[in-house]
Amino acid sequence: DQQVKQNSPSLSVQEGRISILNCDYTNSMFDYFLWYKKYPAEGPTFLISISSIKDKNEDGRFTVFLNKSAKHLSLHIVPSQPGDSAVYFCAGGTASKLTFGTGTRLQVTL
Amino acid sequence: ETGVTQSPTHLIKTRGQQVTLRCSSQSGHNTVSWYQQALGQGPQFIFQYYREEENGRGNFPPRFSGLQFPNYSSELNVNALELDDSALYLCASRFGTAVGYTFGSGTRLTVV
Repeated sequence: DQQVKQNSPSLSVQEGRISILNCDYTNSMFDYFLWYKKYPAEGPTFLISISSIKDKNEDGRFTVFLNKSAKHLSLHIVPSQPGDSAVYFCAGGTASKLTFGTGTRLQVTL
Repeated sequence: ETGVTQSPTHLIKTRGQQVTLRCSSQSGHNTVSWYQQALGQGPQFIFQYYREEENGRGNFPPRFSGLQFPNYSSELNVNALELDDSALYLCASRFGTAVGYTFGSGTRLTVV
């Protein structure tokens, strides 16, 4: 039962352009959603979150959009930088746990 | 102390053995969770502790157990290791009900 899905295993974007990473969920009980970035040999690093009652949250170059009717969220990175190249995980959160998607590998090219 | 530290970083065990993985959380982080990440997958929730009591458990058998200590450290114990237990084990902590968890770099467990 995959409650959080990231259907694109990889994405390649040119430096300076917008990166859009997508995530779908089936569990309506999530209280919030988060995006994590993971480099090889490191643990996931928290990027940005959004409450389930909001539809947008912005932090610098990162914006997360939540469409509750479609059960879809997306992470926008503008402008994309080479250092953004990593695996990005979305997760749905409740009081006691996070449920992660399978990740999208973002490659930002020069 | 800042950050989350896990030890060891790598470990090789034989099927049927027992293993203990350790995590040292950031001071004040009274909530700790453990996750298992298989190759090519997202982290899967094992269990969570809040103030030394388990308050959430994922779909893992009882041979996966844990402890949380008053000094913000914790342990994950796995008995009767199986080949499928080979994975990256991640510890994550937060203060109370804060949204963002801080993750450690993980312990890579290989069962042969």
